[in-house]
Order: sequence, then structure tokens, then C-alpha cells
Amino acid sequence: QITLKESGPTLMKPTQTLTLTCSFSGFSFTTPGVGVGCIRQPPGKALEWLGLIYSDDDKRYSPSLKSRLTITKDSSRNQVVLTMTNMDPVDTATYFCAHKPRGGTHFDFWGQGTLVTVSS
Amino acid sequence: SYVLSQSPSVSVAPGRTASITCQGENIGRYSLHWYQQKPGQAPLLVVYDTSDRPSGIPERFSGSNSGNMATLTISRVEAGDEADYYCQLDDGHSGQVVFGGGTKLTVL
Repeated sequence: QITLKESGPTLMKPTQTLTLTCSFSGFSFTTPGVGVGCIRQPPGKALEWLGLIYSDDDKRYSPSLKSRLTITKDSSRNQVVLTMTNMDPVDTATYFCAHKPRGGTHFDFWGQGTLVTVSS
Repeated sequence: SYVLSQSPSVSVAPGRTASITCQGENIGRYSLHWYQQKPGQAPLLVVYDTSDRPSGIPERFSGSNSGNMATLTISRVEAGDEADYYCQLDDGHSGQVVFGGGTKLTVL
């Protein structure tokens, strides 16, 4: 059974850096082609893809946010870490991580999400 | 960058068939995925690779994809199907994952 869970701050101030940890179980990065995606959803709005990291450490980022994002993995701890710099109130959203299966282009298991609010 | 367009809302009576569309340039060339999201919950994959269903998803959910339009069809709609539905693809050409803007399905 694959599970993912996001953890991080719930309230931030503008200009701060977000560090969000996605802890998972039921799979590992020792499996080639497996990935973990980061997706966010502002309140009442649509899903927005942020980035993706694969088991071979290949990374992809949304072009509109690439300059602010870094995604890393700790295979020994089964964790993925999303870092987003210079947070702004428009970055207020629920942040999700999700499992991307080997050979797939979809996300089959999702974390529950964590709401991050940016406010002065 | 690639754009997926969805109608904001669809309404359907219980027992009828709902069709939720997702438009994009040559979308028929891609594997298209669909997610259901209920308020306060994470998205749930209901169709992947255009027409496959994950384990546990009823056969009432089906998908198709051709030309510039993909469709999620929900047969014999139930009250519990009321949710937001999002399409998604992986544009290997640009390396981007793209989500549609979502469609709110209302069961009358």
C-alpha cells in the first residue's frame, strides 16, 4: 500500500523560503523510473503542477516557477523535499505530493495535502 | 506551453450520463488522465492512459481521446459522483506536466 504525507509550515511570512517534506511508504527510489510529483492548489482554484523528481535524480520543474523551486530526495529516508524561495501571498495553497509509477505519466497515489498560508 | 481547457461546470440528473471534456492541441496523441476531487480531499485517479481504470474505480467511469478533445464519461451518475474533475497529461516534448482547469460536476 502506497502512502504519502506532506509536512511543513502552515503559516509563513512573505519573502520566506518554504521547505516542504513529503514522506512516503510502500515504494522506494530503488525502483527505476519511479517518481514523486509536487502539485499545489490555491483555495478554490485548479491544480497546478510544480515539479517532479525521478529515482535516477532527474528533475523537472514548472517553467513559471523554476527559478524559485528545488526538489531533492533522500532515498534512505523515503523522503522528497520541496523548497520554494521568496514566498508571496499568491503562493497560499494546499501543497500535495503524489506517486508517479514506473512507465506511467499519471499520479496514482496522493498525499492528503497541507495548507500553507502566506501572510504578513 | 501546452494548455488544457475544460468547461467550468456540467450538470446532470441522477441516472443519466455525464460527459466532461478536455480540449488541447492534438490531445489525441497523448495519454490522458482524469482525477476526481471532492471538497477537502486529495485528487483521486479515476482514469489513466486515456481509458484504463485503477482498481476500485467503477466501470461507470470511462475515457476516450481523439483529435483535439478528450472525454470522461460517467454513466448512471450517482449523487456521490458530484465533484471537481481534472484532466492531466505529460507533455514529453516540453517535459511539462499539465492539468486542465477543472470541471465541477453537479448532480441535480
